[in-house]
Amino acid sequence: DGGITQSPKYLFRKEGQNVTLSCEQNLNHDAMYWYRQDPGQGLRLIYYSQIVNDFQKGDIAEGYSVSREKKESFPLTVTSAQKNPTAFYLCASSVWTGQDSPLIFGNGTRLTVT
Amino acid sequence: LAKTTQPISMDSYEGQEVNITCSHNNIATNDYITWYQQFPSQGPRFIIQGYKTKVTNEVASLFIPADRKSSTLSLPRVSLSDTAVYYCLVGDDTGTASKLTFGTGTRLQVTL
Repeated sequence: DGGITQSPKYLFRKEGQNVTLSCEQNLNHDAMYWYRQDPGQGLRLIYYSQIVNDFQKGDIAEGYSVSREKKESFPLTVTSAQKNPTAFYLCASSVWTGQDSPLIFGNGTRLTVT
Repeated sequence: LAKTTQPISMDSYEGQEVNITCSHNNIATNDYITWYQQFPSQGPRFIIQGYKTKVTNEVASLFIPADRKSSTLSLPRVSLSDTAVYYCLVGDDTGTASKLTFGTGTRLQVTL
């Protein structure tokens, strides 16, 4: 079955450490996205990538970094510069970034930083 | 960027039809209207998308009046498993999905 795989489901880190969240898709989609969701809130866009070796900042990119070396993979690094990293992180992909191309989401990684 | 307004929460009994209305007064000519469903601790799932009039699929219907300033997601005969948060999204006029904004959505609670 095609889909988005995010791992791990739960992640715990100490404050001051960088951590990388994995996102893999086998849908052959060009576009990939990272969103952050805080309790009771909607999703906020962190970064997106329209094609391999290209990515753009979303609305809340500070303290995060990404890479897109392969079409299937779009890892997100939460750096120590991110002031409030504890959140639910969602990765998504779409055929392209046009609004008529629905987003397919993974099941998220819940990151807890103490 | 067109902003959407939807009710924070709704309650329904199992077997009823549920209509969730979304307001998007400054929707642009090229904007689509898209609805997603999210269960706790899962990623949102695409439900339906439309541009004008009525769209229907196996899950829901989407009604869009001629002025497109609002839209209504209709869920026929809801069950307990339809308890979720429903998001209404409107794209920006550049046609870039990357700028889709998820608000806080409508929390639908279905009970027996």
